[in-house]
Amino acid sequence: DVKVTQSSRYLVKRTGEKVFLECVQDMDHENMFWYRQDPGLGLRLIYFSYDVKMKEKGDIPEGYSVSREKKERFSLILESASTNQTSMYLCATKMGGYGYTFGSGTRLTVV
Amino acid sequence: GNSVTQMEGPVTLSEEAFLTINCTYTATGYPSLFWYVQYPGEGLQLLLKATKADDKGSNKGFEATYRKETTSFHLEKGSVQVSDSAVYFCALSDRSGGYNKLIFGAGTRLAVHP
Repeated sequence: DVKVTQSSRYLVKRTGEKVFLECVQDMDHENMFWYRQDPGLGLRLIYFSYDVKMKEKGDIPEGYSVSREKKERFSLILESASTNQTSMYLCATKMGGYGYTFGSGTRLTVV
Repeated sequence: GNSVTQMEGPVTLSEEAFLTINCTYTATGYPSLFWYVQYPGEGLQLLLKATKADDKGSNKGFEATYRKETTSFHLEKGSVQVSDSAVYFCALSDRSGGYNKLIFGAGTRLAVHP
């Protein structure tokens, strides 16, 4: 089974800090995704990547950037954290066909 | 653009009750449809899927039928258990822009009590 590991379950950061959320997969899957999950809004796509060094904006990319230097690692970067970025962040990788595997999530609080 | 609408929760049921969670979608073309489940403290897991009209997805006693005429994909289970308590997300595959990605509904929280 594909395993998707997010480096932190809980994170507390200060407004204005640069924040890195890391996601690592243990299989050679090309497609990786970052979503944020908010009550009443479901999951919204921030960025995705279909190959090393390739990235595409999702529906809500403002305030975020990503990095994919190696196939197994996809990082989400908050350039200057703000309180409205307090959320649950979920990383996913895409298996064959239409299957996705999700990590357990990182709950980020910006104070 | 493509979108998914789910019934608002929470849905509270007694054990062995019948469950329906409504899901409707708006999409161009013929997307694949999915139900994902999120148990407390965990990521999302695929529960079932359907790839074309009239397909029925099923898993763990849950079922959903892809209805193109009503653009719906309602989730049903005949007899829920306490262990089914979770958040359920309806989703569709969006192939616009040449990339395949998932669009999710807002999620419906289900609480089953003994």
